[in-house]
Amino acid sequence: DGGITQSPKYLFRKEGQNVTLSCEQNLNHDAMYWYRQDPGQGLRLIYYSQIVNDFQKGDIAEGYSVSREKKESFPLTVTSAQKNPTAFYLCASSPRGAGSSYNEQFFGPGTRLTVL
Amino acid sequence: GDSVTQMEGPVTLSEEAFLTINCTYTATGYPSLFWYVQYPGEGLQLLLKATKADDKGSNKGFEATYRKETTSFHLEKGSVQVSDSAVYFCALKVSNDYKLSFGAGTTVTVRA
Repeated sequence: DGGITQSPKYLFRKEGQNVTLSCEQNLNHDAMYWYRQDPGQGLRLIYYSQIVNDFQKGDIAEGYSVSREKKESFPLTVTSAQKNPTAFYLCASSPRGAGSSYNEQFFGPGTRLTVL
Repeated sequence: GDSVTQMEGPVTLSEEAFLTINCTYTATGYPSLFWYVQYPGEGLQLLLKATKADDKGSNKGFEATYRKETTSFHLEKGSVQVSDSAVYFCALKVSNDYKLSFGAGTTVTVRA
């Protein structure tokens, strides 16, 4: 079945540690996205990538980094510079990036990160 | 900038009650509009969408009509079930933008 997988589902880290969240898709989508979700808030965009080897900052990129070496993979690293990293992180993909208003985004199941 | 405002929750209903979640938007371009649903502990799933004025999106008994004159996309369901308990997000995307803009989400709880 085609879809988006995120691992792990739950992640714990100590303050000062970097941690990498995995996102893989087999939908052959060009664009991929990382969102952060906090209680009572909508989703906020962290980074997005429209093609391999290219990515752009979203609204809240500080303290995060990404890479896009393969079309199907878009890992997110939460660095120690992120002041409040405890949140639910959602990865998404879409067939094309900007330029089409009809494209919906498909979401993975999410990773809940807790900083101890 | 582009933004979405949806009614605050939480909303608690009895089974078979009528559900309405209001959503209004502000957009610089001509947006497509979406409703996503998030069940506990899961990611978001697309519930329905509309891409132009007066379009009606529908799925699983839910409906929403794209009203350009009132910049609204209210979600409705005539008879809710316990399984409809979830968080519902209204979102928009304009054609020259890369991202979805989300509302804050509305938590709906349906009691038997």
